[in-house]
Formats: sequence, C-alpha cells, structure tokens
Amino acid sequence: SQELEQSPQSLIVQEGKNLTINCTSSKTLYGLYWYKQKYGEGLIFLMMLQKGGEEKSHEKITAKLDEKKQQSSLHITASQPSHAGIYLCGADNAGNMLTFGGGTRLMVKP
Amino acid sequence: EPEVTQTPSHQVTQMGQEVILRCVPISNHLYFYWYRQILGQKVEFLVSFYNNEISEKSEIFDDQFSVERPDGSNFTLKIRSTKLEDSAMYFCASNRGMGSPLHFGNGTRLTVT
Repeated sequence: SQELEQSPQSLIVQEGKNLTINCTSSKTLYGLYWYKQKYGEGLIFLMMLQKGGEEKSHEKITAKLDEKKQQSSLHITASQPSHAGIYLCGADNAGNMLTFGGGTRLMVKP
Repeated sequence: EPEVTQTPSHQVTQMGQEVILRCVPISNHLYFYWYRQILGQKVEFLVSFYNNEISEKSEIFDDQFSVERPDGSNFTLKIRSTKLEDSAMYFCASNRGMGSPLHFGNGTRLTVT
C-alpha cells in the first residue's frame, strides 16, 4: 500500500517568513492533493497536482510535484496568522481512495 | 459556495449502541465517501459509494459498518454496535468523479463511552 510521509511534523514561523512543507510517497503519485485542516474542522481543498513537474499557485501558496512524481512540496510566501493550521497531503489511489500523510502543524507567530 | 454538511457535529454514545451519522453531499456530486480520524492519527479511508452501491472499502469497514443513501440528498454511515475504538472524527466527502478533488464536511466527533 502507498505511504505518505510529511516533513516537518510541526513548524513555528514568524509572521512574514517563508516556509516549505514536504510530502514524500513510497510509490509513484498519480494524483496529489493538498488540504488544510483547522482544529476540529473539516479538510479544505487547496490544490491538486497530477503531472510530473507541475506547479500551481493560489494567493501565497505554491505546490509542486517533482518530475519523478514521488515528492511534492507546499511553499507559503510571507506567512500570515491565517495560514496557521494542519496541512495534509493526500495521494489518489485507484477508485479515488485517498491516502493521507500524517500532517504538518503550522503555527505563525504575529 | 455549496458545501458538504454533516450532522450531528458531536455524538456521544454508550458501547454496544447503534449510531447513524448523517451527511448531505454537494448536490451535483456523484461519488460519496466516509473517512475517519482517530485523535492524533492520520485521516483514514473507510468507504466510497457510487451509483447506490459501495465501490471501494477499507479493512476498517467491517460488518459492523454500513452506508446508505436513503433518499436523493442524504448519505449515512451506520455503526451497528459501537466499540470504544470507534471513537474518532468521521468525515463525509463527495466529488464529481474520478480525478476531481474531494470536498469534505466538518465532521462528526463520535465519542463512545
């Protein structure tokens, strides 16, 4: 079965700083999803990547899928307190069954 | 923007009791899912549902679990005889089809005592 490892597990940054979260898969990724979760709430869809080398951006968040399709990164530029939460990567297995990583807990200090 | 809604937000039940968790997926979505997250652990897939039948299920989804779409809008997860280890956050999700992102509800926190 596919395993996803996220790093770091937690991150504390000063407001305005850039940061990167990584997601590494044990198998080739055919669809990689990034979600954000606030404590006690549901998962909010951020971005989906499918092609090797693909890069997508939304506001100050950029996600990339490497050429070999086994690693993805999520980069936040000029972090704000509103970026705080848990970031999850999810891999698309057959039948739309997503396997999730363990999450990266981000805190942004004002 | 349309969203997936789940009720109740929190359910407390005694061990051995039956519970039904309810979800209203986004109206034009065709695929429906249940995931769960035990406190401090990963979000885990339970089951997917399409065209009024289960399309995939995980090892977690054993005989004590069942899903149903009783009408055109609701999607339910039933746990027949709850165990302490069923305590978790249960998330419902839906999407339009293969390769499209899943949209999640805010979850039902189930506490089994």
